[in-house]
Amino acid sequence: GAVVSQHPSWVICKSGTSVKIECRSLDFQATTMFWYRQFPKQSLMLMATSNEGSKATYEQGVEKDKFLINHASLTLSTLTVTSAHPEDSSFYICSAKGAAYNEQFFGPGTRLTVL
Amino acid sequence: AQTVTQSQPEMSVQEAETVTLSCTYDTSESDYYLFWYKQPPSRQMILVIRQEAYKQQNATENRFSVNFQKAAKSFSLKISDSQLGDAAMYFCAYRSALMIKAAGNKLTFGGGTRVLVKP
Repeated sequence: GAVVSQHPSWVICKSGTSVKIECRSLDFQATTMFWYRQFPKQSLMLMATSNEGSKATYEQGVEKDKFLINHASLTLSTLTVTSAHPEDSSFYICSAKGAAYNEQFFGPGTRLTVL
Repeated sequence: AQTVTQSQPEMSVQEAETVTLSCTYDTSESDYYLFWYKQPPSRQMILVIRQEAYKQQNATENRFSVNFQKAAKSFSLKISDSQLGDAAMYFCAYRSALMIKAAGNKLTFGGGTRVLVKP
């Protein structure tokens, strides 16, 4: 199957700083990428969907100015958590879908801890 | 909007035995896909099995099989000959078959079922 990577795998930052998480499709072109958030012992909650070259579509209740998503190329999408606060601490997962595939492929996730 | 419900927060199974996880969903669409994903302690999401709604035949993948009841909107997963490595969270997910670029074929997940395997 296709491979999706995320970087970093974990990050600790101070409150008020911004953090960028990268999601890369390693062996296919990702026409669509998805960003999820997962709290402990809970399900995945979709935050936004991004198509290459277009603005991301955010789910209801997700602050677009807080969670900036850029999908500048067919292999890279980034999620920037701006002015992070402790309540933003969570596990963030990206997934990617290419035109040739009928399913999404998930990255390994990034654990964000905001002190 | 579509919803996916997993009514069993946790299931326990003896090694080598069989366990069935339930999933129900609500949709007004006739064409869609259903998935079961496994999330082990590493938290990497792994696709276990996929079912296309237009197919009447239940999908199987080695020890994993589904019972897809379209009219009842039910999609259960059966794990046969359970192994210690099957211990994980299992998520049922729905995806529309409509090609809407903005929505990007997003997945709707159920709340998950934790599977414990006893040696």
